[in-house]
This record gives sequence, structure tokens and C-alpha cells, in this order.
Amino acid sequence: EVQLVQSGAEVKKPGESLKISCKASGYSFTNYWIGWVRQMPGKGLEWMGVIYPGDSDTRYSPSFQGQVTISADKSITTAYLHWSSLQASDTAMYYCARLRWLHLDFDYWGQGTLVTVSS
Amino acid sequence: DIQMTQSPSSLSASVGDTITIICRASQTISTYLNWYQQKTGKAPKLLIYATSNLQSGVPSRFSGSGSGTDFTLTISSLQPEDFATYYCQQSYNNPLTFGGGTKVEI
Repeated sequence: EVQLVQSGAEVKKPGESLKISCKASGYSFTNYWIGWVRQMPGKGLEWMGVIYPGDSDTRYSPSFQGQVTISADKSITTAYLHWSSLQASDTAMYYCARLRWLHLDFDYWGQGTLVTVSS
Repeated sequence: DIQMTQSPSSLSASVGDTITIICRASQTISTYLNWYQQKTGKAPKLLIYATSNLQSGVPSRFSGSGSGTDFTLTISSLQPEDFATYYCQQSYNNPLTFGGGTKVEI
């Protein structure tokens, strides 16, 4: 059974760094892209970027390029989303999801990680 | 970026109704269009990929059609578990973009 299990909710202050994780199981981790999707409170879905754990090839949405870093550790089948300096506007739910390259659709999703940034 | 516009933004319906949600792309995307369902407090779920292909396990009352810039998601005989928000997503090019969502309420 394919599962993506994300790390727990975080409360941070502006300027702090943060790395959230997405642990994959039930499939070949290195053969599928994993993406990150943001959902701000009460809003829609925004694609942030994807990584191919097989070779760490990473693609970002222009809106998020330079704002976050996506990485993966294939030895522990885990993908990460990292901020070096959080802002209040980063407050959102973040989902990881497995991407099927043929149709560029997200067929399995993590449960989400709520990030709250507040002074 | 390709802009995806959904209409309506919300609709009210009853169990047993047939409803249609429209998704319009700002430029042609062939059939590179996917649909997701999101229930309150839950992660999105893939319903339909490549315009009209039902994801495994999704009931046949869900169907999709369209091409180019105009697409529809139809839910026949609405069931209580179908009340949720629905999003379209274009997979034609980078960045992947989603529609604003359509909330289906009782």
C-alpha cells in the first residue's frame, strides 16, 4: 500500500528556519517524482515544486523558486521541504504528493503538515 | 502561467442530483487536465486524469470531458459523500496550476 506520512504541525517565529518531511512507503521511491503543494487558510491549491529522488532532479514553480528548497534522502525514502527564513505569509497547510510523470497528476497524497508562523 | 478558472465557485445541490463543474484554461492544454476532490480537513484525492480517465477506485458516477480550453466534471446521482470542494489542474506545462475550486454544498 502506497503511503506518504508527513511530519507534525509546526509553530515558528518569523525569520526561523524549518524543514518538514514526507516519508514514503509501499512503492519504489526512486522511480516517482514527489511534489509539494501549498494551501493557505481557506484558499486553493498551489504547486510548489517536485523532486525525482532517483537523481535529485528538482523543478520549482517560479512562484516558489528561491523561497524554499526541496530535497530527498533515498536511503530513508523521505522528501523534505525547507525554509531558511520563514515569513508570516508562509502560514499554510503543506501537502506532499506522488506525481505520475505520464499525466503529471498527483495520485497519492500525504495527510498534510500545518505550518504556523507568528511572532 | 496558465490560468485555470472554475465555475461556479460554489453550488448547492441535493442527493440524487446531477451536477456539472466547468474548468476553463487561459490557453489550450489539449487534454492535460486532472480533477481532484477535497473534503474539509483532508488531503485532496485524484478523481480523473487526462480529462476523462477515472482513477482506480473512483465511482463511475464521476465523469470528465473536454479538450483545448474547456472542460467539465459531471457527478451523476450525487451522494452524501460527494459534498466537497473540487479542483481542476492543468498538466500541460510548468508551473502546474490549479483552478480556484468549486465547493459543492447541500
